[in-house]
Amino acid sequence: NAGVTQTPKFQVLKTGQSMTLQCAQDMNHEYMSWYRQDPGMGLRLIHYSVGAGITDQGEVPNGYNVSRSTTEDFPLRLLSAAPSQTSVYFCASRTGTQGANVLTFGAGSRLTVL
Amino acid sequence: AQSVAQPEDQVKVAEGNPLTVKCTYSVSGNPYLFWYVQYPNRGLQFLLKYITGDNLVKGSYGFEAEFNKSQTSFHLKKPSALVSDSALYFCAVRHSVSGATNKLIFGTGTLLAVQP
Repeated sequence: NAGVTQTPKFQVLKTGQSMTLQCAQDMNHEYMSWYRQDPGMGLRLIHYSVGAGITDQGEVPNGYNVSRSTTEDFPLRLLSAAPSQTSVYFCASRTGTQGANVLTFGAGSRLTVL
Repeated sequence: AQSVAQPEDQVKVAEGNPLTVKCTYSVSGNPYLFWYVQYPNRGLQFLLKYITGDNLVKGSYGFEAEFNKSQTSFHLKKPSALVSDSALYFCAVRHSVSGATNKLIFGTGTLLAVQP
């Protein structure tokens, strides 16, 4: 049981480049989400999904796109990377669509935008 | 506004001593509260949660937390710290506004350093 798998673990981009952070879970979780972690800011929610075909914005959605075509996958797209998007990104999933259940986190993807 | 605060950026304790990591929250209604831990270069791991019931919640690795409604606090505690407890600890609260209850609000984290 792999849990939540994120790829790549590290990525360096130049300003204006695009890329996709991949997230896959094998636990049949309905809810999936993307957070970014920055020093002194904690974790901030970027986008989330409560099921295939359904996505919504979190606290800091600007500059990021998501889609949920399957239950298992929830990729995060940066269309035109900016230095402000330098961060560590975490994907997390849980059963159910309400907030009482526990999130399972991936190991993180460290992104640097030059 | 819905929020959670961790007033200490860092907590230092000696091994064997009790530890407390503080958390206060601000949400309407009954809060759903969580503690997560992050070890270096890893994702967050669940420690414990309070949804309802006994105010003292026991979790993984010997940690416990006490829910105090009058003080709107949910402090994390352990009677005897281990060096291996050194990590970054996050408090989180479920958003209570209708339509947003699937969101968690995280604190800024407290770095716990347990000294041998």
